[in-house]
Amino acid sequence: GAVVSQHPSRVICKSGTSVKIECRSLDFQATTMFWYRQFPKKSLMLMATSNEGSKATYEQGVEKDKFLINHASLTLSTLTVTSAHPEDSSFYICSASAPGQRSYNEQFFGPGTRLTVL
Amino acid sequence: QKEVEQDPGPLSVPEGAIVSLNCTYSNSAFQYFMWYRQYSRKGPELLMYTYSSGNKEDGRFTAQVDKSSKYISLFIRDSQPSDSATYLCAMKRQGAQKLVFGQGTRLTINP
Repeated sequence: GAVVSQHPSRVICKSGTSVKIECRSLDFQATTMFWYRQFPKKSLMLMATSNEGSKATYEQGVEKDKFLINHASLTLSTLTVTSAHPEDSSFYICSASAPGQRSYNEQFFGPGTRLTVL
Repeated sequence: QKEVEQDPGPLSVPEGAIVSLNCTYSNSAFQYFMWYRQYSRKGPELLMYTYSSGNKEDGRFTAQVDKSSKYISLFIRDSQPSDSATYLCAMKRQGAQKLVFGQGTRLTINP
């Protein structure tokens, strides 16, 4: 149980285009979803936290107009990288959590999406 | 100073060795401590989680938390080549949603 999927797993796009990444919780309802960015050989950097039906809370230094997050249902969140540039190339990972089994609300991670902007 | 410090390695050991991975932290409010394993180009998967201080064992893995020293460890016994991955420590405060990650340690187990 507790499976999180991401689509696409890999995307290559031209500079200036927008890219949408989907994150789905397949077998549970995720009240909260998180979006992370990871550079090669670096740790995960939290970009934003989104609760279903609410606006996302962005971390300091993350441009909310650049990285649009929508959490429209309890099983789906999307991250749209608008007007992507080469510096946006990275590995984007989502995670999802729900209240319940563990007291600390475990986050279940998706497999990641590798974005390359040419 | 980063909230969580983790030696990035890389760390390379022979198969069968005992591996010790460590993190230090500065925020005494952290109550939940996790270790994640991440294979190349994959998302992290939870290995161990500990609440407050103490030890926790799961098969070949042992997690230790020393809150007085603000220091956590993950021990891997009888290490296997399949244990080769990046290991990330993470922690969070009571009631908080946000996880704070260490930099991750790249581990290679040589056959």
